[in-house]
Amino acid sequence: DAGVIQSPRHEVTEMGQEVTLRCKPISGHDYLFWYRQTMMRGLELLIYFNNNVPIDDSGMPEDRFSAKMPNASFSTLKIQPSEPRDSAVYFCASSLLDSLSPLHFGNGTRLTVT
Amino acid sequence: GENVEQHPSTLSVQEGDSAVIKCTYSDSASNYFPWYKQELGKRPQLIIDIRSNVGEKKDQRIAVTLNKTAKHFSLHITETQPEDSAVYFCAASNAGGTSYGKLTFGQGTILTVHP
Repeated sequence: DAGVIQSPRHEVTEMGQEVTLRCKPISGHDYLFWYRQTMMRGLELLIYFNNNVPIDDSGMPEDRFSAKMPNASFSTLKIQPSEPRDSAVYFCASSLLDSLSPLHFGNGTRLTVT
Repeated sequence: GENVEQHPSTLSVQEGDSAVIKCTYSDSASNYFPWYKQELGKRPQLIIDIRSNVGEKKDQRIAVTLNKTAKHFSLHITETQPEDSAVYFCAASNAGGTSYGKLTFGQGTILTVHP
């Protein structure tokens, strides 16, 4: 299994531009999570999905952030418009429906907004 | 919601010494406590986890203990090696509850093992 696949690995964009991060979870996993990691705030859960349905988006910082999961093998996290304070590493993770299943993280997307 | 506090934020040890990282959690309903290791520039990876129905779990040089009454759990690494140097995160969740899978992470501990 290739694991959780995220793209791009690095993204540099200017303030005000739209940014789209992509994730392919491990095949067969029922849960998909988006995390953001910064030095100041650590690992923060932004949103998670169960069977493609958003369950909890209380961690999404503001309306500029949106996430979708159109099918079981693909999810996007979009920031529009982007701001310098959005600079962070964004991780996607997936897990099985088993209530004791661990999270498997992707390699992350390092976003820099100038 | 759940709040997880992790200490220390940095830990420096000599090779061969033991390292202990401690976490406390606030939600008494939490029942799943994983530990993740993150090497520089890489993704967090699960190294060990413990469920609330056991007090201790060991895997070679790594062990985790859980005190449900006090709501704290700890990671113990014995005979540390330079390759153990990384950031370690504890986390907690109510696996099986309505907020399943919503892992709350501690702030992380930067462990440095000096040869």
